[in-house]
Amino acid sequence: DSGVTQTPKHLITATGQRVTLRCSPRSGDLSVYWYQQSLDQGLQFLIQYYNGEERAKGNILERFSAQQFPDLHSELNLSSLELGDSALYFCASSVDPQRGSSYEQYFGPGTRLTVT
Amino acid sequence: DAKTTQPNSMESNEEEPVHLPCNHSTISGTDYIHWYRQLPSQGPEYVIHGLTSNVNNRMASLAIAEDRKSSTLILHRATLRDAAVYYCILKTGANNLFFGTGTRLTVIP
Repeated sequence: DSGVTQTPKHLITATGQRVTLRCSPRSGDLSVYWYQQSLDQGLQFLIQYYNGEERAKGNILERFSAQQFPDLHSELNLSSLELGDSALYFCASSVDPQRGSSYEQYFGPGTRLTVT
Repeated sequence: DAKTTQPNSMESNEEEPVHLPCNHSTISGTDYIHWYRQLPSQGPEYVIHGLTSNVNNRMASLAIAEDRKSSTLILHRATLRDAAVYYCILKTGANNLFFGTGTRLTVIP
């Protein structure tokens, strides 16, 4: 158990809909990351938040957005869903990722999104 | 982002050591070498990381070449639970992970 929790475990929805995925980081971790894993694209970094502020963006679509709340939990919002958005979405957390330092990330169990 | 090259797949017999290679010829001086693994139906799991010196922890050892252009993850005694996809990743100043395709390790009983 990594200490990172994600809800829900599974989500089935229709094209065009909007969903929200939730992540609670490990106790004490200030940074949260979101990743997408699909069969054709592998594991891709989407976005990072640190203590409520966006820190870095990866291959995140404009239809997707995220935020980190004062209690440090994070939500990933996916809108206007398409069939190709079906994937596993992982959240990870780490301690303060100061530039020049290197910290391991702890991953949650993921949310499996199926768009029909 | 700096790239890594790993074999697509490897096999090992149970209870034997496993050496998983990774080439990273474009590594820069500040890149850390990280290894993660992903067991079936689970999220990625941190294994080990290093910068220049060899590293050991309870899970594995990391051997880094003197020129840092390659590294090897060593599992000292493979168990069935070690069957997973192993990712070798170079981390720059930003803490984000860029995963490649990894090496799928099969452990044979």
